[in-house]
Amino acid sequence: DGGITQSPKYLFRKEGQNVTLSCEQNLNHDAMYWYRQDPGQGLRLIYYSQIVNDFQKGDIAEGYSVSREKKESFPLTVTSAQKNPTAFYLCASKSPGARELFFGEGSRLTVL
Amino acid sequence: EDKVVQSPLSLVVHEGDTVTLNCSYEVTNFRSLLWYKQEKKAPTFLFMLTSSGIEKKSGRLSSILDKKELFSILNITATQTGDSAVYLCAVVPNTGNQFYFGTGTSLTVIP
Repeated sequence: DGGITQSPKYLFRKEGQNVTLSCEQNLNHDAMYWYRQDPGQGLRLIYYSQIVNDFQKGDIAEGYSVSREKKESFPLTVTSAQKNPTAFYLCASKSPGARELFFGEGSRLTVL
Repeated sequence: EDKVVQSPLSLVVHEGDTVTLNCSYEVTNFRSLLWYKQEKKAPTFLFMLTSSGIEKKSGRLSSILDKKELFSILNITATQTGDSAVYLCAVVPNTGNQFYFGTGTSLTVIP
């Protein structure tokens, strides 16, 4: 079945360590997105990519990095520069002309 | 700056009640407004609205958009415990590349 797979689902890290969250889709979608969700703040856009080898910063890109080397993959690295990385991270994708985003199940990162 | 505001932030009702969730927006060059339901992890799509005054309906859920007053409402009638979730509103400008989400409304339905 087609869908978006995020891994890991839960991740614990010590402060100062970089962390990479995986997002893979087999929907053949061109656009992919990373959102961060905190209680009471809805979804905030970190990065998005419309095509391979191209991506744009969202509203809260500081402390994060991404790559888009393959159409189906859009990994997110949470660097040690991110001041408050503990959050729920959602990856999404969309095909051209589609009306809605499809979401993965999310990754919950806790920094100790 | 583009902005989407949802109200209330949270709501607790009893089974059978009717609820109305609100979403107001300030987005340059509006294209569409979407409603999502998030039960535990992945938000799932409910409705997309592009034209004022046309109600979208799916079972006990319905939604309508007012482009003049820049808001949308999501109604849920005869609520059930399975309706308990966070309901997210997102607005898409004409570029179609970005989705601006509101803070969400957390709905809890008590048996």
